[in-house]
Parts: sequence; structure tokens; C-alpha cells
Amino acid sequence: DIQLTQSPSFLSASVGDRVTITCRASQGISSYLAWYQQKPGKAPKLLIYAASTLQSGVPSRFSGSGSGTEFTLTISSLQPEDFATYYCQQLNSYPRGPFTFGPGTKVDIK
Amino acid sequence: QVQLVQSGAEVKKPGSSVKVSCKASGGTFSSYAISWVRQAPGQGLEWMGGIIPIFGTANYAQKFQGRVTITADESTSTAYMELSSLRSEDTAVYYCARLEAYCGGDCYYYFDYWGQGTLVTVSS
Repeated sequence: DIQLTQSPSFLSASVGDRVTITCRASQGISSYLAWYQQKPGKAPKLLIYAASTLQSGVPSRFSGSGSGTEFTLTISSLQPEDFATYYCQQLNSYPRGPFTFGPGTKVDIK
Repeated sequence: QVQLVQSGAEVKKPGSSVKVSCKASGGTFSSYAISWVRQAPGQGLEWMGGIIPIFGTANYAQKFQGRVTITADESTSTAYMELSSLRSEDTAVYYCARLEAYCGGDCYYYFDYWGQGTLVTVSS
């Protein structure tokens, strides 16, 4: 099965900061990667799919890049509502799965 | 607008089973692919398995093979996840999510709609 790692696991940042989160896959997954944001007590929310396509309604300060085994999620100017945990997910294994998630990156207020 | 509404919280004894439902509205249920994802307290997201109702065949993560059964009832637009032989480590919030595709040449997949989550607590 394809494994995903994320770095950092935790980051402390201030409003207005540029934040970058990295996701690495154990084998090439082309661009079959999605990013989600999750706030405490809530279901995950889709931010980006196909590694770099912004989901409708998601602010443009979020962007994704990468292909193959290395991917990044960037928040260009962190806003108060962006403090949350971010997960990457690979969907290269469609249709049977497994659709593995990364371990998550928690973004906290400095 | 697609909406996934899950059944309520459950408290179960070790060794028993739990069945969680996920009722869909909006869109065409038979063409959905529904997955189940769980999240133990303070932990990350874990894909358990999924089903495409129109095909009726479910696929499961190896970790849950033999213990989980995912089904769908097209007549009620409801998907179900049943987990058996429960143990304390199965205490988690269980989510259903719609697996959607964007096809423009190649097809790319993502989970765009999620249920609100169902807390299952396993305790003696």
C-alpha cells in the first residue's frame, strides 16, 4: 500500500504568515492527491484535488503543487480561520483503494 | 446540494457489532461512491472502505477485512457501515464521504461531501 508522510507535524505561525506543508508518497502517485482542512469537532473539508486544483469556494490564498512523490500545500497569508489540521490523501489506488491519508499537520497560533 | 446525514452516537460493549447509516440527499445516489473514514480520539483519518451502489461491490482496507461490511440501499439512498467484534480501539468518530471524480482527459478523485460524523464508543 502507498504510505504518506507529512512535514512538519506541527507548526506555530502568526496571522499573515506564509505557510507551507509538505506531503511525500512512498511511491509515485502522479497528481492523485487531495488536501483537506479539519477543525476540532468537524468533518474534514476539501481544499484541493488533483494536487493543484482549488475546490470551488475555497479562498485563493490556498494553493497546491507537486506530482509524483512530493507535494506541497501553501497558504499565502494565514488568516485566523485557517488554524486547523491539514491532511493530504492519495487516490492513486482508485477504484479499489486504499485511499490513504497522511498523518496530518496541525497549524497553531504563535 | 448533496447532503450526507449519519445516524446518532452509539455505545457498544466489546465483542458486539455496530451499524452506522449515512442517508444521502441531492444528486443521484446510485452513481455515488461512498467511503467510510474513521478518526480515533486525537488521531488522524483512516480510510476503512467504500462502495459504489450501482455496482454493489464494496472494497475494504486490509486492516478491517473480515470485520467490516459496507452496503447501500438505493431505494432509501442510504449507505451502511457495520463493524463487528468491537474492541476499545474502535472507539472513534466514523464519517461517510462521497468519492467524486473530475474528468478532463484523466480523471481525478476526491471526497467532496462528508457526513457530520457518528461517535461510536466501545466500553464495558
